Amino acid sequence: DAKTTQPPSMDCAEGRAANLPCNHSTISGNEYVYWYRQIHSQGPQYIIHGLKNNETNEMASLIITEDRKSSTLILPHATLRDTAVYYCIVRGWSGGSNYKLTFGKGTLLTVNP
Amino acid sequence: GAVVSQHPSRVICKSGTSVKIECRSLDFQATTMFWYRQFPKQSLMLMATSNEGSKATYEQGVEKDKFLINHASLTLSTLTVTSAHPEDSSFYICSAAIDRAGAYGYTFGSGTRLTVV
Repeated sequence: DAKTTQPPSMDCAEGRAANLPCNHSTISGNEYVYWYRQIHSQGPQYIIHGLKNNETNEMASLIITEDRKSSTLILPHATLRDTAVYYCIVRGWSGGSNYKLTFGKGTLLTVNP
Repeated sequence: GAVVSQHPSRVICKSGTSVKIECRSLDFQATTMFWYRQFPKQSLMLMATSNEGSKATYEQGVEKDKFLINHASLTLSTLTVTSAHPEDSSFYICSAAIDRAGAYGYTFGSGTRLTVV
């Protein structure tokens, strides 16, 4: 799997948009970008994933650059409950259900009142 | 949908005893489940991959005789920490794979905080 690079920490004001960057310059054509988050002492929570098109769901938006070498997760109106570690993971789709997710260090997002 | 239930959420055990952690897929069948361990202020580290009806595959450096994994049905995988010691104290998390092309593939349990005293 392609490696990802994320800033170790970021701050955001409550109510503002949080933009979390991820670099995955070695991504290959069949690899998806996944975002998960982990609130303290809980299991990771799926946020969103994408291949090459921008994606949006009820939680967030995912913007993938045209060359697919980087992406940005956008939380449009951050709340205090969005304080968590956010993980950007690249994962191929070959191998079916046996394909394991490998977590990096992620970005600790702190939303401040 | 796609909920994974993990129990217990917290357990304290004495050194030398064994502890079993259960991971159940509630509304889907999980052919494959993954077990992770997480130490304080660190990321998740994959321990093993379990497949229903076959032996688990352990990551390098993980003792298979110490961390017994059983995946006897499509909805249940268990992790048993045998002869637990204080250094085994950690946060253990299970995950199930959902193999749907184009859809998110993994859902996680809520984790088990193991403290060995």
